[in-house]
Amino acid sequence: GAVVSQHPSWVICKSGTSVKIECRSLDFQATTMFWYRQFPKQSLMLMATSNEGSKATYEQGVEKDKFLINHASLTLSTLTVTSAHPEDSSFYICSGAWLADNNEQFFGPGTRLTVL
Amino acid sequence: QKEVEQNSGPLSVPEGAIASLNCTYSDRVSQSFFWYRQYSGKSPELIMSIYSNGDKEDGRFTAQLNKASQYVSLLIRDSQPSDSATYLCAVNKPQFNKFYFGSGTKLNVKP
Repeated sequence: GAVVSQHPSWVICKSGTSVKIECRSLDFQATTMFWYRQFPKQSLMLMATSNEGSKATYEQGVEKDKFLINHASLTLSTLTVTSAHPEDSSFYICSGAWLADNNEQFFGPGTRLTVL
Repeated sequence: QKEVEQNSGPLSVPEGAIASLNCTYSDRVSQSFFWYRQYSGKSPELIMSIYSNGDKEDGRFTAQLNKASQYVSLLIRDSQPSDSATYLCAVNKPQFNKFYFGSGTKLNVKP
């Protein structure tokens, strides 16, 4: 399958700071990238969908001004958690997909964010 | 009504047995169906995709799709302890450019 990388794999930050997470598709062009959040022992929660070159579409209840998403190229999307607070501590996972017959999406390894 | 429903489990099977995981979806326009495996603390890994009615086999895994009943299943033959994980069912509705995930079924394979 296709490979998606995320960086960093984990990050610890102080409350009030901003954190940027990068998501890269390494061997394919991801026309669409998805950002998910997963709390312990819970299912994946879709935060937003981004298409290259256009604004992200956020799910209900997700603050677009707090979770800034940029999908500047077909291989790179970034999620910036602004003014992070302890309740933002979670496992953030991106995935990439391309518009093709199979529409498969491939997940990055995830970023574990801890806000102190 | 949720887009995708799965029994949360846990489903416990002995090593070597067949594990059967089930999933139903609510929207008939769903076109593509996927099974992901997620180990604790890791991100999901695609293990099977299926697009047409019937069975699709890949090694020890068989996915079954029945669009009339809006039902997708995953069979794991000769289950191994390393198969112990949460299995996520997902469907894709391209017109919405979205994937919908079930909450996952936890599988325990006992040695």
